[in-house]
Amino acid sequence: ELKVEQNPLFLSMQEGKNYTIYCNYSTTSDRLYWYRQDPGKSLESLFVLLSNGAVKQEGRLMASLDTKARLSTLHITAAVHDLSATYFCAVDPSGGGADGLTFGKGTHLIIQP
Amino acid sequence: EAGVAQSPRYKIIEKRQSVAFWCNPISGHATLYWYQQILGQGPKLLIQFQNNGVVDDSQLPKDRFSAERLKGVDSTLKIQPAKLEDSAVYLCASSSRKVGNEQFFGPGTRLTVL
Repeated sequence: ELKVEQNPLFLSMQEGKNYTIYCNYSTTSDRLYWYRQDPGKSLESLFVLLSNGAVKQEGRLMASLDTKARLSTLHITAAVHDLSATYFCAVDPSGGGADGLTFGKGTHLIIQP
Repeated sequence: EAGVAQSPRYKIIEKRQSVAFWCNPISGHATLYWYQQILGQGPKLLIQFQNNGVVDDSQLPKDRFSAERLKGVDSTLKIQPAKLEDSAVYLCASSSRKVGNEQFFGPGTRLTVL
C-alpha cells in the first residue's frame, strides 16, 4: 500500500521568512502533484512533477522531485500572508497519470504579519 | 472552458437516510474520480471511471456506497444508508490524456450526517 507522508503537518511562520515542506512516499513513482486548498474550497493545482530532478517555480513557491529518494519538497521564499492555506502532495502510484492519487495529510500553513 | 461541476454543494441528513451526489466533468474528459475528504485529512480515492467503466473501486465501501456513470459523462455517487462517519466533503475530479492526465477538481459536496 502506497503511503505519502508530509512534514510538518502544521506550520506557523512570519512574513518574509523561508521554509520547506517535505513529502515522502513509499513506492517508486515519477509523477507527483502539489495542491493548495483554502478553507471551505476545493483543490487548486500548483505543480505537476513528472520526472526525477524536476523543478518548477511559480512566484514564491518552488517544487522539486527526487524519485530515487522518494522525496518532493515545496519551498516557500519570503512568505506573504496570501500563501496561508493547506498544501497537499499527491502521488500517482502508477507513474503514468492514469490512476487515482494518494494524498498526504496536508500541511496547514499560517503566515503571520 | 467550464470546470468540474458538482451538486448539491451542501447536504445535511440523519443517519440511516440515503443521499446522492452528482458530478459533471470537464467536457471531453474520459476519466472521472470520486474522492472522500474527511475533515483534517487528505482526499481518499473512492472510485475511478474510464468512460462508463469502473477502473478502480477497491476503496469504495460497497455495502453502502454505489456509483455509476451510465453514459460516460455525468456520474452519481450514492450512500445508502448513511452513517455518522460518512460526514465529509465528496470531491469529483476529471482528467484527460490530452492534458497529460492532470486531475481537475470540482468544488465538492459537503455532507453532514447527524
